Amino acid sequence: QVQLVQSGTEVKKPGASVKVSCKASGYTFTSYAVHWVRQAPGQSLEWMGWINAGNGDKHCAQRFHDRFTLTRDTSASTAYMELSSLTSEDTAVYYCARNPLTTIDLDYWGQGTLVTVTS
Amino acid sequence: QSVLTQPPSTSGTPGQGVTVSCSGSSSNIASNAVNWYQQFPGTAPKLLMYRNNQRPSGVPDRFSGSKSGTSASLAINGLQSEDEADYYCAVWDNSLNSLVFGGGTKLTVL
Repeated sequence: QVQLVQSGTEVKKPGASVKVSCKASGYTFTSYAVHWVRQAPGQSLEWMGWINAGNGDKHCAQRFHDRFTLTRDTSASTAYMELSSLTSEDTAVYYCARNPLTTIDLDYWGQGTLVTVTS
Repeated sequence: QSVLTQPPSTSGTPGQGVTVSCSGSSSNIASNAVNWYQQFPGTAPKLLMYRNNQRPSGVPDRFSGSKSGTSASLAINGLQSEDEADYYCAVWDNSLNSLVFGGGTKLTVL
């Protein structure tokens, strides 16, 4: 069965960076994209960006453009997102989600990774 | 402030029907397919409806989706207690070149 398993909870200081992993199983990793969506406490979902796990093409939301890095390791079927220059506004649960490439639906989601930014 | 507007909350009694609306613009809903996600507290969202009105395998046919112009709707018939959750619409926005989500609607089953 399709599974996306994310790395564990992170606590970071303002100005630091965080890297979250998303390990895929149960499907051909390189045939799909991986999107990243975050959710601040009590807030709605916010899309951050996506990476084509096959060819590595990527695209991110303009507001994260200069501090958001997406990578993937096809040998490990794992996608990564790194967010730098963290502030308290980045405190949120970060989700990865699978996307079939031909459409924009996110059909399977990881369990989420809580990132807390605190001094 | 979300690009897509949803009512913050709605409610119904078991067996009733409710509709959740999602209002957008010509650069998103009018141009692209709308998806809906269901989220229970403390869990990841789940794809509930894709391409405006298509249900993934396992989603009961009590759930239906529609779209007209710059608005989309999710209808839930025969409400059940387990439907109590947050519901989000999502669509690609051509102007922002981003996937955008609605603010979410909290459904309470009374």
